[in-house]
Amino acid sequence: AQTVTQSQPEMSVQEAETVTLSCTYDTSESDYYLFWYKQPPSRQMILVIRQEAYKQQNATENRFSVNFQKAAKSFSLKISDSQLGDAAMYFCAYRSRRAGYGKLTFGQGTILTVHP
Amino acid sequence: DARVTQTPRHKVTEMGQEVTMRCQPILGHNTVFWYRQTMMQGLELLAYFRNRAPLDDSGMPKDRFSAEMPDATLATLKIQPSEPRDSAVYFCASGLRENNEQFFGPGTRLTVL
Repeated sequence: AQTVTQSQPEMSVQEAETVTLSCTYDTSESDYYLFWYKQPPSRQMILVIRQEAYKQQNATENRFSVNFQKAAKSFSLKISDSQLGDAAMYFCAYRSRRAGYGKLTFGQGTILTVHP
Repeated sequence: DARVTQTPRHKVTEMGQEVTMRCQPILGHNTVFWYRQTMMQGLELLAYFRNRAPLDDSGMPKDRFSAEMPDATLATLKIQPSEPRDSAVYFCASGLRENNEQFFGPGTRLTVL
């Protein structure tokens, strides 16, 4: 079974600064997806960024980028130029590419606080 | 603006009562997921449907929980009888295909007294 670990229960950052959230995972599969989801106080789960394991290039979405290290099974999220609206719980998630195994396996989450 | 809808948004009930949560997936999506979020367990899968057929309900307590898709526009999650430990936020998510993004509904916050 796959597991996802987020070792930072809480992180904080000053507005306009950069912060990195850590995530490691365990799997015996070679083909899979990794995600970062954001959950603000509204509870809505919002997809931030997605990475396919077969792609060596790290995914980027505006101020959000990942550092995907497949051999180390590490998938960190970097938020540049942090904004007050980035404050939320962030979840790292794994999904297999095998048919019939489409569920997301989540880490425990990291609460991000952004200080003005 | 296509989105997953869930009803009710909040539910408070007493132990032993039946609870039914409903989800309307995005039109055309053929995969539907039910997740539960608690402080202790985090986010975990309860059930997973593809083309209305259950693929994985291993995360669901079978004695009291049941999940169905009566048609392509409705997914239901029932708890009978409910217990205080069922208090959680229940999310429904849908996807166009298995390898596509899952879109989450706003969740149902359930409190069992």
